Amino acid sequence: EIVMTQSPATLSVSPGERATLSCRASQSVSSNLAWYQQKPGQAPRLLIYGASTRATGIPARFSGSGSGTEFTLTISSLQSEDFAVYYCQQYNNWPQLTFGGGTKVEIK
Amino acid sequence: QVQLVQSGAEVKKPGSSVKVSCKASGGTFSSYAISWVRQAPGQGLEWMGRIIPILGIANYAQKFQGRVTITADKSTSTAYMELSSLRSEDTAVYYCARDVPMITNGVYYYYMDVWGKGTTVTVSS
Repeated sequence: EIVMTQSPATLSVSPGERATLSCRASQSVSSNLAWYQQKPGQAPRLLIYGASTRATGIPARFSGSGSGTEFTLTISSLQSEDFAVYYCQQYNNWPQLTFGGGTKVEIK
Repeated sequence: QVQLVQSGAEVKKPGSSVKVSCKASGGTFSSYAISWVRQAPGQGLEWMGRIIPILGIANYAQKFQGRVTITADKSTSTAYMELSSLRSEDTAVYYCARDVPMITNGVYYYYMDVWGKGTTVTVSS
């Protein structure tokens, strides 16, 4: 099983600032990586797939980068609605798909 | 835009089974697959398995092999997830999600784009 490790567990950021979230895979997942946003009481929402492609309707302030084992999600200027938990997920290793443990982005 | 409509909350006894449904509203399964993901209270996301309805083929996470069965009815665009031998640790919100295929170097990969709102399953004596 590929283990996905996200850091930090919690990120305290002020509105308008930049947030950088990391995700590391225990072995290469190529570019088969997605990022999801989840708010309390809601289902996850797809932000990024293919490591760097924004999903439909996702604002340009969200960007993804990386390949292989190291990935980054960047939120260029945090808005109030962006405070949430973010998960990375690899879909390269079929049929054992795995999620990271999540990064909570909170208001500083 | 397709929506995934899940069945309502369930309360089950330990040792029993639960079957959760997921209906595609505003569209059909077409060439997509359907995954099931669960989230225990205060915990992260855990992928359970997937079915490709047009092929009727299901695959499961090793952890759930032998205890979970995922099926689909193409005629009603509804997928089902049945989990047996329930224990308290199975208390969670269960989500279905649409898997979008993408082909890279002739190999199919799937990512989850549309999610249902979730079904709460509580296992308690």
